[in-house]
Amino acid sequence: DQQVKQNSPSLSVQEGRISILNCDYTNSMFDYFLWYKKYPAEGPTFLISISSIKDKNEDGRFTVFLNKSAKHLSLHIVPSQPGDSAVYFCAASAGNNRLAFGKGNQVVVIP
Amino acid sequence: DAGVTQSPTHLIKTRGQQVTLRCSPKSGHDTVSWYQQALGQGPQFIFQYYEEEERQRGNFPDRFSGHQFPNYSSELNVNALLLGDSALYLCASNHYRGANPLHFGNGTRLTVT
Repeated sequence: DQQVKQNSPSLSVQEGRISILNCDYTNSMFDYFLWYKKYPAEGPTFLISISSIKDKNEDGRFTVFLNKSAKHLSLHIVPSQPGDSAVYFCAASAGNNRLAFGKGNQVVVIP
Repeated sequence: DAGVTQSPTHLIKTRGQQVTLRCSPKSGHDTVSWYQQALGQGPQFIFQYYEEEERQRGNFPDRFSGHQFPNYSSELNVNALLLGDSALYLCASNHYRGANPLHFGNGTRLTVT
């Protein structure tokens, strides 16, 4: 049972433009949401998180938006850079730091 | 400041054998979690260790066991290996209390033939 879903497995975007990644979840007990980036042959690297008491969190070029009523979150990367080319995972937990992950989105930034 | 370190990086085993994977958490972290990532999938939670005890467990059979040592490092053991156990095994660490992000190691790539 996939509690965290990431559709559109791959995304190509021009350098300098905005990348938008979407994530849906089904478990209403989730209260902490995270995005990770993963390069080949490396472990996932933490990017940004948001708790359920907020609807937006920003860190440099990365912004995460949370819509609790729709059980939906998104990650915006602007401007996109070639080094952002990676697989991005959405993850969520229900207050216990046990993460449920989506299957990931491959992002390719074209120079 | 060393991050999460895992060993070995790659391992090839035969069906039915047993394997032990090792992990040292990021400095200052007291909790270690293990995840299995199959090809094309997101990481799946195996279990979490804190104060040398298994605190949470995912939907994995008893063939998967673990241990945490007083220095917070951890081992993952898998017995009676199956072909389907072939995957990337990720160790992650964080603080037990409060919502805080997991920091992952680079993983151990296990191949079962």
